[in-house]
Amino acid sequence: QVQLQESGPGLVKPSQTLSLTCTVSGDSISSDNYYWTWIRQHPGKGLEWIGYIYYSGTTYYNPSLKSRLTISVDTSKNQFSLNLSSVTAADTAVYYCARGYGGHSTHSFDYWGQGTLVTVSS
Amino acid sequence: QSVLTQPPSASGTPGQRVTISCSGSSSNIGSTFIYWYQQLPGTAPKLLIFRNNQRPSGVPDRFSGSKSGTSASLAISGLRSEDEADYYCAAWDDSLSGLWVFGGGTKLTVL
Repeated sequence: QVQLQESGPGLVKPSQTLSLTCTVSGDSISSDNYYWTWIRQHPGKGLEWIGYIYYSGTTYYNPSLKSRLTISVDTSKNQFSLNLSSVTAADTAVYYCARGYGGHSTHSFDYWGQGTLVTVSS
Repeated sequence: QSVLTQPPSASGTPGQRVTISCSGSSSNIGSTFIYWYQQLPGTAPKLLIFRNNQRPSGVPDRFSGSKSGTSASLAISGLRSEDEADYYCAAWDDSLSGLWVFGGGTKLTVL
């Protein structure tokens, strides 16, 4: 059974960098047709796609976050990570990692982590 | 303000059929597949429908999806109390450099 688990600090100070890691178990992060994705949900709001990384290192980012965003992959640890710099209170959200299965623009998010709440506050 | 438009709420009684709409444009729903996700309270979203009308294994056939032009619908027949959840539509949007966009979500209440 595929499982994803987010980890990282639950509290980040304004202007600092938010860093999260997603550990994948039950499948290889290096398999074809998987797009390893970050999605966030502001408190009481809807879902926002952050971006994805393919095992080769190819990334695709939400244009609204691109200037502050880095997504990386560590195939040896079966993990992928999110770094979001210069955070503000507007970045407070539950962050989910998810597996996208299918094509570049036609994949389904078929497995999700449980989500982790990150609060930006001094 | 979400790129895809959903009604904020919907409701029905047990056994009823309810539909949830999702409206977009030619750069998203009009040119690609629509996906639906169910989010039960306090949990991560779960894939409900992919590629317009396909159900993953384990999803009951009470759930069905359809698409026409730049709009899509999720139908739930034989409504059950455990269907009470938030439902989100999603599609790839070709505007700008491309990105996944979601609807604002519809909170379904089973009366």
